[in-house]
Amino acid sequence: NAGVTQTPKFRVLKTGQSMTLLCAQDMNHEYMYWYRQDPGMGLRLIHYSVGEGTTAKGEVPDGYNVSRLKKQNFLLGLESAAPSQTSVYFCASSPLRAAGNSETQYFGPGTRLLVL
Amino acid sequence: AQSVTQLGSHVSVSEGALVLLRCNYSSSVPPYLFWYVQYPNQGLQLLLKYTSAATLVKGINGFEAEFKKSETSFHLTKPSAHMSDAAEYFCAVSLGEGAQKLVFGQGTRLTINP
Repeated sequence: NAGVTQTPKFRVLKTGQSMTLLCAQDMNHEYMYWYRQDPGMGLRLIHYSVGEGTTAKGEVPDGYNVSRLKKQNFLLGLESAAPSQTSVYFCASSPLRAAGNSETQYFGPGTRLLVL
Repeated sequence: AQSVTQLGSHVSVSEGALVLLRCNYSSSVPPYLFWYVQYPNQGLQLLLKYTSAATLVKGINGFEAEFKKSETSFHLTKPSAHMSDAAEYFCAVSLGEGAQKLVFGQGTRLTINP
């Protein structure tokens, strides 16, 4: 199993350009997440999905859109990139939660994005 | 609202010394707590998690953490540091509801001195 994969690994954008980050998981997980990591701030949740065709906002959703057309894929879009979106983006997935438990999130290797 | 505070953005210890990384949380209900490790240029990997089964949790690579409700803490320890432990460590909290959204601390970078 590849686990969670992310495409691309690194990208440079100019302000105003758009792009889509792709996350794929082969573990048949129900839940998927997009985080951004900035120095001194840990990881912050951008958007998440509890199943195919569903998405919801996280802590820092502004400037991003997501789609989950297939269970195994979760796309993160930037319609008009801004320098403040320079960050490392991580995708994660987790299985359905068993009652009285909390499931582990499995992370991809990250996408480093630089917006000039 | 949940929050996590990691005391010390950088911790440096000698090889063979005790590792102690501090994490305090705030939550209105009993939380689920996690420690993740991030090696350079990699994603996050689960070290251990607390889900109310036992207050002392053992994880991978010799790490363990103790949940102390009275102190709202979940500190990470390892008796003897190894060079390969150099990484960034994140504490996270979840209420375990629905999509199990994680709230992360700021991270602590651990350096091991030879």
